[in-house]
Parts: sequence; structure tokens; C-alpha cells
Amino acid sequence: GENVEQHPSTLSVQEGDSAVIKCTYSDSASNYFPWYKQELGKGPQLIIDIRSNVGEKKDQRIAVTLNKTAKHFSLHITETQPEDSAVYFCAGGNDYKLSFGAGTTVTVRA
Amino acid sequence: EAGVVQSPRYKIIEKKQPVAFWCNPISGHNTLYWYRQNLGQGPELLIRYENEEAVDDSQLPKDRFSAERLKGVDSTLKIQPAELGDSAVYLCASSLNSLISFTGELFFGEGSRLTVL
Repeated sequence: GENVEQHPSTLSVQEGDSAVIKCTYSDSASNYFPWYKQELGKGPQLIIDIRSNVGEKKDQRIAVTLNKTAKHFSLHITETQPEDSAVYFCAGGNDYKLSFGAGTTVTVRA
Repeated sequence: EAGVVQSPRYKIIEKKQPVAFWCNPISGHNTLYWYRQNLGQGPELLIRYENEEAVDDSQLPKDRFSAERLKGVDSTLKIQPAELGDSAVYLCASSLNSLISFTGELFFGEGSRLTVL
């Protein structure tokens, strides 16, 4: 099955700086790579996703890049704000089955 | 629009006791998932339903876990008997998958936190 690894496990950034989270996957058949944000006591919520036929996708301050050859994908958050503090999960697989990374706890310092 | 509703939010039980979790998905969502999230880890799929049919239960420990989705709407996940290692957050998610619309987005509930003593 698919194995997704995520780094770093924790990330502390100054407000206004950028944050980057990286993930690798093992199954070359995987074609769907979403990113979820989980706030304390809540369920994960989709923030952005990318499919294998696209190399990059952007939504306001959030962007995701995918390198199929290297089997890695990354989340970029620019101009970080206090409300960006949360746990972020990458996932890989297909529309029916996803494997999640272990998560990155992002703390934005004011 | 109401989101995915789960209950109870918290449950503390002694080992070997039974426990059940309930999930009401978003109205109209035909696909329902149960995930387990251990502390400091990402969600792990336990079972996926398409309407009332369990189409992927390969990760469900069938010796002690069972699930059902009657009438293709609400779902219940049961553990009997519970073990110490079952302590985790149990997340329910739903999605709308059809020939016309399939975004892949999962809508998660807030989860049921189980503590087994």
C-alpha cells in the first residue's frame, strides 16, 4: 500500500514569514494529493489538493507543488498569520483511498 | 448546511468493556468513512461504505471491531471488547461521489475520543 512520510514534525515561523512542509510517497500509482488542516478538537479540513496531471496549484496564500518523478509534494504558506497555527496533514492515494502523513504542527509567532 | 455529526465526543471505559460510536454524514453524501487517529499521527482508514455496502474493510480489526450503515445514512462503529491500545480519536468522514461529481474531498466530523483504562 501507499506510504506517506511528512517533514518536519514541528515548524515555528514568525508571523509574515513563509512555511514549507514536504511529503514523499511510495506508490507511483497514486494520483491524488490533498492537504488537510486540523485545529485543536476539530476534524481535519481540506485546504488544497493536487492531482498527478498538474505540477503546481495555488489558492491565495497557499500553494502546492508535485514532483512525480521524485515522488514528493510540498505545501507552501506565504505571509503566515496566527490563524495558520494548526496541524497540517499531507495525504496520497486515489479518490477512494488515502494514506496520511504523520502531521506537522505549525506555530506562527506574533 | 450541517456538517458530519459524531457522538459521543468523549468516552472513557475500562478495558474489556464494549463501546459504540455514532456518525451522521452530510445529507446526500453516499460515501462514509471511519478513520482512527492515534495521538500525534495522521488518520488511518478503518472502513469505507458506498451507500450501505462496506467496500473496503481491509484495515478493520474484525475480531473486535464491527461497523454498520443501515439504510445508507447513519453509521455505527463498535468495539467489543476494548483494549488499552484502542485509545484514540475515531473520526467519521463523508464525501459525495457520483458519476457526475467526484471531488475527492473528505468532510470530517469532530471525532470521538476514546480512552481505555
